[in-house]
Amino acid sequence: AQKITQTQPGMFVQEKEAVTLDCTYDTSDPSYGLFWYKQPSSGEMIFLIYQGSYDQQNATEGRYSLNFQKARKSANLVISASQLGDSAMYFCAMRDFGNEKLTFGTGTRLTIIP
Amino acid sequence: DADVTQTPRNRITKTGKRIMLECSQTKGHDRMYWYRQDPGLGLRLIYYSFDVKDINKGEISDGYSVSRQAQAKFSLSLESAIPNQTALYFCATSDLFQTNEQFFGPGTRLTVL
Repeated sequence: AQKITQTQPGMFVQEKEAVTLDCTYDTSDPSYGLFWYKQPSSGEMIFLIYQGSYDQQNATEGRYSLNFQKARKSANLVISASQLGDSAMYFCAMRDFGNEKLTFGTGTRLTIIP
Repeated sequence: DADVTQTPRNRITKTGKRIMLECSQTKGHDRMYWYRQDPGLGLRLIYYSFDVKDINKGEISDGYSVSRQAQAKFSLSLESAIPNQTALYFCATSDLFQTNEQFFGPGTRLTVL
């Protein structure tokens, strides 16, 4: 069975600093995808970044990058130069290509301090 | 206009009432999903559908049913609502050939008294 673990329930970071949100996963499927979503206080789920298990390079999308360490089964999200608008809940999720379902972690609440 | 819409956005109901949450999408995706979000538990999959004739249970389907009326519409029903079904409900879609992202609707906040 798939499992996603986010061990940081909350984080406080100074504006303009970089922040790393931790995510570890467990699966027996060799083919899978890892996702990060942002959920602001308004409630919508915003897709940030995706990493495939066979991708050779770490995914990047603007200020977001995914630090993918396959042997450690970790997929940490790195946000560079944090902004006040980055304050939100962040969810890590995984999909095994065998069953096509997303499994979510419990989330990390990030607060950016001016 | 939003690609994935959910109605209603907010609903307060009483225990024992039948409730239907509706989801429509204009993305042309074949795959649709219903999730439930509870504080501290993240999102959990209730039901998913890969096409109109394909409906599958997720990890927490008890107390829920779904209907895929068309490729673009996927409804979630609570036949007899109970207070522990109070939650934020999300519909999502994805494409068969581009499954690197699920697109989420804005959510429906349901309160069962």
